[in-house]
Amino acid sequence: NAGVTQTPKFRVLKTGQSMTLLCAQDMNHEYMYWYRQDPGLGLRLIHYSVGEGTTAKGEVPDGYNVSRLKKQNFLLGLESAAPSQTSVYFCASSRTVNTEAFFGQGTRLTVV
Amino acid sequence: KQEVTQIPAALSVPEGENLVLNCSFTDSAIYNLQWFRQDPGKGLTSLLLIQSSQREQTSGRLNASLDKSSGRSTLYIAASQPGDSATYLCAVRLTGSQGNLIFGKGTKLSVKP
Repeated sequence: NAGVTQTPKFRVLKTGQSMTLLCAQDMNHEYMYWYRQDPGLGLRLIHYSVGEGTTAKGEVPDGYNVSRLKKQNFLLGLESAAPSQTSVYFCASSRTVNTEAFFGQGTRLTVV
Repeated sequence: KQEVTQIPAALSVPEGENLVLNCSFTDSAIYNLQWFRQDPGKGLTSLLLIQSSQREQTSGRLNASLDKSSGRSTLYIAASQPGDSATYLCAVRLTGSQGNLIFGKGTKLSVKP
């Protein structure tokens, strides 16, 4: 009963390095979302996707790119990491726009 | 712009107490409201989803209510236990949106034995 799985769980990057976070869901959900969670700021939407091959910007998209080549996977990329991107990243999915959303366990990213 | 507020930010109660967590939102044009639980260093676990046409939902010792017209929801926890200690988050989805959740900052609950 995997649900939403995020890889990796922890990562430390140096400023300027790049990396990709993977989100995989096994529930055949159309909608997928990437959030970041920061102390005092709560959860904020980075990018989202409403189906395979589609992506759109959320509230805080700068410095991130995303791709959804397969329905079950939603990738979040950091091309040139900055210390301001130190955060906990969460992926979520839902079957439709108004059904229950399920979250992954998070990726804790530190940029030094 | 939709704003979601949760009061109090932190709450400490003795084991066995019944308690209420509050969530308010400024725009009543919502699809639904969802309550989550987050343990330290963990992901979000869905507790209850209330559609905009519903007044309440129940799951075990949890009961969530929704008053869309006044922009309020409450999460009632009966007979609290130390294992209920966690941060509780509420989130709404705006009508006409692509379903992205707008979150409150959470209530950190501590249940003392």
